Amino acid sequence: EAEVAQSPRYKITEKSQAVAFWCDPISGHATLYWYRQILGQGPELLVQFQDESVVDDSQLPKDRFSAERLKGVDSTLKIQPAELGDSAMYLCASSLARGVGGYTFGSGTRLTVV
Amino acid sequence: AQSVSQHNHHVILSEAASLELGCNYSYGGTVNLFWYVQYPGQHLQLLLKYFSGDPLVKGIKGFEAEFIKSKFSFNLRKPSVQWSDTAEYFCAVRAGTASKLTFGTGTRLQVTL
Repeated sequence: EAEVAQSPRYKITEKSQAVAFWCDPISGHATLYWYRQILGQGPELLVQFQDESVVDDSQLPKDRFSAERLKGVDSTLKIQPAELGDSAMYLCASSLARGVGGYTFGSGTRLTVV
Repeated sequence: AQSVSQHNHHVILSEAASLELGCNYSYGGTVNLFWYVQYPGQHLQLLLKYFSGDPLVKGIKGFEAEFIKSKFSFNLRKPSVQWSDTAEYFCAVRAGTASKLTFGTGTRLQVTL
């Protein structure tokens, strides 16, 4: 069964440092999502790509977060500088357009900011 | 904007008890509905989904959910839970023409022996 790959699995970083996460969606999935899941809460969408274009980044804290999907395949989410409140699980998911066929989530990157 | 409410934050059941977890959403148009499960230390896994047709949807591991449009609800049920069902359960909705999923805050289910 095809999977969404994410790395690293765990990341510990100091406050004010830069951190980056990588996601490789299922082949052929044009839509890619980055979600943030704070402990005890449901995932919240940070940014959504359709191919290489951002279609929704309304909840992305743009002063410190950036995301790119340059060739419309894999994607990188960056935080600079990291803050204590950024500690969370960062989930990547992919789907065909409009969620047709469902969504597949990766295992996530657990970020701890100290 | 659409929202999803899961009113049961933490549910404790004995093994073999029946389960019903509530999910309500706020959106007046066409929706697709999902239940995901997250076992401790693992990623989100799809339990079941509703796109159209029969409002009673059967998923994996004996779970089912019923879409009641008039109540804006999509409750998850299982007639007899097992200890291995201990996990967090998330309801999610895709509303209208949007692609993204909006999640509820989750329900933590603890099944005791």
